[in-house]
Amino acid sequence: EDKVVQSPLSLVVHEGDTVTLNCSYEVTNFRSLLWYKQEKKAPTFLFMLTSSGIEKKSGRLSSILDKKELFSILNITATQTGDSAVYLCAASPYGQNFVFGPGTRLSVLP
Amino acid sequence: GAGVSQSPSNKVTEKGKDVELRCDPISGHTALYWYRQSLGQGLEFLIYFQGNSAPDKSGLPSDRFSAERTGGSVSTLTIQRTQQEDSAVYLCASSLDLAGAYSYEQYFGPGTRLTVT
Repeated sequence: EDKVVQSPLSLVVHEGDTVTLNCSYEVTNFRSLLWYKQEKKAPTFLFMLTSSGIEKKSGRLSSILDKKELFSILNITATQTGDSAVYLCAASPYGQNFVFGPGTRLSVLP
Repeated sequence: GAGVSQSPSNKVTEKGKDVELRCDPISGHTALYWYRQSLGQGLEFLIYFQGNSAPDKSGLPSDRFSAERTGGSVSTLTIQRTQQEDSAVYLCASSLDLAGAYSYEQYFGPGTRLTVT
């Protein structure tokens, strides 16, 4: 059965800290891994990763995929209170649905 | 359209009544997904469509749940004889392609909050 695991499930930090969120997956016919940020209702897309070792960056956020060890990390540097959200990781198998992890709830305190 | 839209945004219904939730995907997106999210929980996959067909209905929780998509666009999720455990936010998402060689990210709608009293 395909599955995605995220850790930690919950994290509390202070503004300015750097955080690393983890995502591991077991998916047959894997093709890509995606990260989303969910603040209230709808998740919003952050990154899509298809190749190992190539870092994707967007401002203070960055992510990388390791297809050999079957995991990805999402880094957030110089965290701000606006980064508080649930961060979802999803694996996309070929021709099938996206498999979501449980999410990491990040709380950034002022 | 500019994004995925869903209606209604909120729905309160009495136990035992039927409800219909609507999703309007981004124009040109061939893949459409329905998820359910209970309070504080992760996303629970319900069903996806590639065009008008739904090859995987395994996520539907019971036979009270059904979904259809017409014209490769709008989709409706119907819940018959609602129960209190059906209360959740129902999220719809669409993506450019599902069955092709490339993976495209999903774009989510704002969701429908269903409350069954």
